[in-house]
This record gives sequence, C-alpha cells and structure tokens, in this order.
Amino acid sequence: QVQLVESGGGLVKPGGSLRLSCAASRFTFSDYYMTWIRQAPGKGLEWVSHISGNGRTINYADSVKGRFTISRDNAKNSLYLQMNSLRAEDTGVYYCASFRAWNCDYWGQGTLVTVSS
Amino acid sequence: QSALTQPPSASGSPGQSVTISCTGTSGDVGNYNFVSWYQQHPGKAPKLMIYEVNKRPSGVPDRFSGSKSGDTASLTVSGLQAEDEADYYCSSYAGSSGVVFGGGTKLTVL
Repeated sequence: QVQLVESGGGLVKPGGSLRLSCAASRFTFSDYYMTWIRQAPGKGLEWVSHISGNGRTINYADSVKGRFTISRDNAKNSLYLQMNSLRAEDTGVYYCASFRAWNCDYWGQGTLVTVSS
Repeated sequence: QSALTQPPSASGSPGQSVTISCTGTSGDVGNYNFVSWYQQHPGKAPKLMIYEVNKRPSGVPDRFSGSKSGDTASLTVSGLQAEDEADYYCSSYAGSSGVVFGGGTKLTVL
C-alpha cells in the first residue's frame, strides 16, 4: 500500500518561510509525477504545484508562482515544497499526492500551515 | 485559474441515486477527458473515486460512476449508503493552467 507522510507544517509569520517534506514509500517514487494540493480551513481543494519523476517538468498555480519551489530527491524518496514570502491566504492543510494522468491517486494525511502574526 | 462550478449541497435517501454536476469551460472540462472526482470525509484526506471522466480505481464500488457532456461532468452515486455522506470534489486538467478543482459538494444521506 502506497504511503505518503507529510511534515514541516507549523505557525509562521507573514513574509516568513517554511519547507514542507513528503516521505514516500511502497512504490517506485522516481516513476511518478508528484503534486502538492492545499485546502484552506473550511474551503475546497486547490492545486499548488507538480513535478515530473525526473524533476525536469514543473508547474505552479499562479497564486504561488515566484514564491514556492517544488523539488524532489529520488534517492531519498522525498518530495519538498519550499514556501517563501508566505501570506495569510496560504494558510491551510497541504497534501502531497502521487499524480498520474492529471489525477491524484494516492494522498498523504496532510500537514497544517498557519500564517499569522 | 477559475474554479469549476459544483452545487454546494446534494442529498438523497438510502438506496436512492444522486447526481452531482461539475461545470467548467472549453478550456478545461469541455476540452479534455481528464476529469476526476474525489471523496473527502471530515478530517480525512481526499480519496480518488473516478478518473478520466468515467474510470474507477480498484476498490471503488461500482455504485460510483462518472460521465461528461460538453463543459459539464457528472458524478452519480447509486444505491446511496450512509458511508457515502461526504464532500465531493471534481477536478479537470486545464492545459497550461495545470489542474483546476470545483468548490465541492456536501452530500447528505437522509
């Protein structure tokens, strides 16, 4: 059974930075595109970014472009999201998910990011 | 990117069928067969229920089915059961804009 475990969430002040990690196991990580999806409190899902298996293809939502950086380390079976210049509207649960044919087939449990002074 | 449009709520009695719509544009739902549906119970991560408009992942009951006509996709849940009560989200590939989600529909089993 595919396992994805996010970490790195927490409370950060506006303008601050945070790095999320996602540890993957029980599947061939390097074969898969991966994605970050977020959910503001009481709100719907929002696609944030995705990255190809070899890391060469990357795409971002307009709302995070220039502030967030997605990356991966296939040797460590890990996915990352570096978040800079954080804003209150970035608050929410961040999920990592495996990404195939433009759908998210396996999800982690999520990590909460709170941006507040 | 604009969100896909879903009704905020839907309901049905046990055993009945209910259909949830997801309306996009020719830039997403209408132009690509990469529509997915996710089920999310409170406090839990979403779960993929339908992908590529009408395909079910292994383990998803065949009570769940998907379809698409023009710019609108639909999820039908037949033979409603209490455990189907959850939030449902649609998503679609949107070309250079990546992936766009619907606002979600809260399904209540009466």
